[in-house]
Amino acid sequence: SQQGEEDPQALSIQEGENATMNCSYKTSINNLQWYRQNSGRGLVHLILIRSNEREKHSGRLRVTLDTSKKSSSLLITASRAADTASYFCATDSVGSSNTGKLIFGQGTTLQVKP
Amino acid sequence: NAGVMQNPRHLVRRRGQEARLRCSPMKGHSHVYWYRQLPEEGLKFMVYLQKENIIDESGMPKERFSAEFPKEGPSILRIQQVVRGDSAAYFCASSPLGVGGYEQYFGPGTRLTVT
Repeated sequence: SQQGEEDPQALSIQEGENATMNCSYKTSINNLQWYRQNSGRGLVHLILIRSNEREKHSGRLRVTLDTSKKSSSLLITASRAADTASYFCATDSVGSSNTGKLIFGQGTTLQVKP
Repeated sequence: NAGVMQNPRHLVRRRGQEARLRCSPMKGHSHVYWYRQLPEEGLKFMVYLQKENIIDESGMPKERFSAEFPKEGPSILRIQQVVRGDSAAYFCASSPLGVGGYEQYFGPGTRLTVT
């Protein structure tokens, strides 16, 4: 069954604007991670946020986590054309044998127009 | 410090042939995960291995798929008698520890096309 679901599925913005992507999940988690995937390429790790954390920052990225709502958001500020990519959230669920395997959402496709 | 290596990057097989996908983890990592990404979808977990051991294969199809991670050499994902539905991108990731809370480093993927 699908664990993470991203919203929106696609997002198109102008360079300089902020982009917000949301992720919802179903089961309790140990941590949640965000990844970026450029078209036809591998995944690049962006941020890991643990279940006892509420917010993390990394450069122009800000991630929030609300475990009561089972949701997370990724905010990219002052977007650039190079941010054009697909963004995935991935959860490491409690009870998944604690092996660290990740369950990915369907992704949000972000297009930043120059 | 080389990242996760996968080869081949592209693989074309006819229906019924075998596909072998290789993954060399980052230096010092002994935990490998394989994921499959179908077109326009997210990644789906397949199998988690440590050196010489399969720890979790709950995502592997019951037939035709197998994986190994020998003491020496890369991890191998093997698909026997491929069918068109096996066409996908296969990614491996490595981690320093096989428990939650650690970043997984992904390889560039192998894109398998079955004709």
